[in-house]
Amino acid sequence: GAVVSQHPSWVICKSGTSVKIECRSLDFQATTMFWYRQFPKQSLMLMATSNEGSKATYEQGVEKDKFLINHASLTLSTLTVTSAHPEDSSFYICSAREPRETDTQYFGPGTRLTVL
Amino acid sequence: GQNIDQPTEMTATEGAIVQINCTYQTSGFNGLFWYQQHAGEAPTFLSYNVLDGLEEKGRFSSFLSRSKGYSYLLLKELQMKDSASYLCAALDSNYQLIWGAGTKLIIKP
Repeated sequence: GAVVSQHPSWVICKSGTSVKIECRSLDFQATTMFWYRQFPKQSLMLMATSNEGSKATYEQGVEKDKFLINHASLTLSTLTVTSAHPEDSSFYICSAREPRETDTQYFGPGTRLTVL
Repeated sequence: GQNIDQPTEMTATEGAIVQINCTYQTSGFNGLFWYQQHAGEAPTFLSYNVLDGLEEKGRFSSFLSRSKGYSYLLLKELQMKDSASYLCAALDSNYQLIWGAGTKLIIKP
């Protein structure tokens, strides 16, 4: 299967700072990537769909000014959590759609964010 | 509305067989995915079905009935490492994945 990397794996930051998370498709080009958030013992929650070269599409209730998404190339999407607060602490997971494999989404390993 | 239903939790014994069911209602349908997610980790792809029938892949098999809006994941010869959540997701007419809440599978010795 296709490989998606995510960096960093975990990050601890102070309240009020911004954190950038990178998602890369390593062996395929992904015109579409997705950003999810998952709280402990809860299901995946789609935050936004990231399309290369255009603005991201955010799900209802997700603040686009707080969670900035940039999909600058066919292999890289970034999520920036701006002015992070403790309630933003969560497991953030990206996925990339592999168009050659019936649009299967392959997931990155996730980033665990802790805001103090 | 769009909806995916799967059991919240199941328990099975090591070496046995377990079937995890999933029913879906979506606006259009372009296939059904099963993912495995171990605690604290991201989901990993298991299977994709778009045609009716059974797809076998080692110890894991996935079945789809489009007319019934129904799928199941069958796990044979269960091992302790199979303890995980299993996520069912349907691809709708806009190629958006609609996710189920996941089934937590507990394997007992």
